[in-house]
Amino acid sequence: DQQVKQNSPSLSVQEGRISILNCDYTNSMFDYFLWYKKYPAEGPTFLISISSIKDKNEDGRFTVFLNKSAKHLSLHIVPSQPGDSAVYFCAASDGSSNTGKLIFGQGTTLQVKP
Amino acid sequence: NAGVMQNPRHLVRRRGQEARLRCSPMKGHSHVYWYRQLPEEGLKFMVYLQKENIIDESGMPKERFSAEFPKEGPSILRIQQVVRGDSAAYFCASSPILIAGTDTQYFGPGTRLTVL
Repeated sequence: DQQVKQNSPSLSVQEGRISILNCDYTNSMFDYFLWYKKYPAEGPTFLISISSIKDKNEDGRFTVFLNKSAKHLSLHIVPSQPGDSAVYFCAASDGSSNTGKLIFGQGTTLQVKP
Repeated sequence: NAGVMQNPRHLVRRRGQEARLRCSPMKGHSHVYWYRQLPEEGLKFMVYLQKENIIDESGMPKERFSAEFPKEGPSILRIQQVVRGDSAAYFCASSPILIAGTDTQYFGPGTRLTVL
């Protein structure tokens, strides 16, 4: 049962353009969402997060949007840079569970072409 | 401020041997999580520990796997009698305190276990 889904395994964009990565979830108890970036042979690096009480959070070139009714979130990167090429994971947690367990999507590989 | 430390980075074991993976959380963090990533998959939660306590082990296989986070020293993930299916990347994460709705976890570089 995949509670967090990233339906696009890969995405290719031109440098300077916007990258949009999507994530869907099924568990309505999720109340905190995070995006991580991962390079090969390294651990995931935290990028940005959003609480369910918000619908948007922005940090520099990165913006996360949350649509609770659609159970959908997206990560916007603008402008995209070649160094952004990596695997991006969305993750979700249920605060009421008191375990902090993160449920991850399968990841989307982003390639930013110079 | 050092990040989450994991060692070894790479570990090769033969079937039937034991694997011990170590994780030192970030300074000031008292919550440790272990995740496993199989090839071509996302990260899967295994266990959540605080000092001397296992809080949630719902993702741990019932047999051969154990975890601890002693009062002193790193957290240890132990896999006994390894099999080829245990080959994966094992990531440790830590967080400072568990506040519902704000739990950001910071990950280590991982240990890549290969079982021959």
